Amino acid sequence: GEDVEQSLFLSVREGDSSVINCTYTDSSSTYLYWYKQEPGAGLQLLTYIFSNMDMKQDQRLTVLLNKKDKHLSLRIADTQTGDSAIYFCAETDGYALNFGKGTSLLVTP
Amino acid sequence: ETGVTQSPTHLIKTRGQQVTLRCSSQSGHNTVSWYQQALGQGPQFIFQYYREEENGRGNFPPRFSGLQFPNYSSELNVNALELDDSALYLCASSLATYNYNEQFFGPGTRLTVL
Repeated sequence: GEDVEQSLFLSVREGDSSVINCTYTDSSSTYLYWYKQEPGAGLQLLTYIFSNMDMKQDQRLTVLLNKKDKHLSLRIADTQTGDSAIYFCAETDGYALNFGKGTSLLVTP
Repeated sequence: ETGVTQSPTHLIKTRGQQVTLRCSSQSGHNTVSWYQQALGQGPQFIFQYYREEENGRGNFPPRFSGLQFPNYSSELNVNALELDDSALYLCASSLATYNYNEQFFGPGTRLTVL
């Protein structure tokens, strides 16, 4: 499948903002997604953005999409220790979800 | 409303054996997708079932097969297990095919092949 790349690790202090970045190669992607996975758990859909949008905000989460550069980011405002988890970027062209390897977010007090 | 459930939680098999994993979809959902997540990797799409028919398949060999039942629950069968089949197997259900905007994942089955 097409490639979805993410940085592997991010550490932030509680209360700071976290920014997790993702790049993808499939220009026909219609939707892009952010999932959260806590230890021993399945995947939780956090938010998604349609490919014709530049930005989407949902409470503490802001998604930015630069379609020209095929770059997607997830900003978590006022990051809490409960936000510590692995975050996956995923894209689909309508056939199947294609995930990155995940970014492990560690929030320190 | 019952969420997506999977059984068993953990499983240990030896190379060459066969395994069956089970998934109960969320109430009202008619589509089930299966994913394999190896350690340190993102999930990889195996296949999707819609109304008891396979509706799409990822890059997995034929020894990975599935079923969907009239109540929309599903099974993933893997024959001739290999060491590389060790992974977390996730199922996800949705109301319609490729409706990832409202797709819910189960907690997964951890398969270890020795």
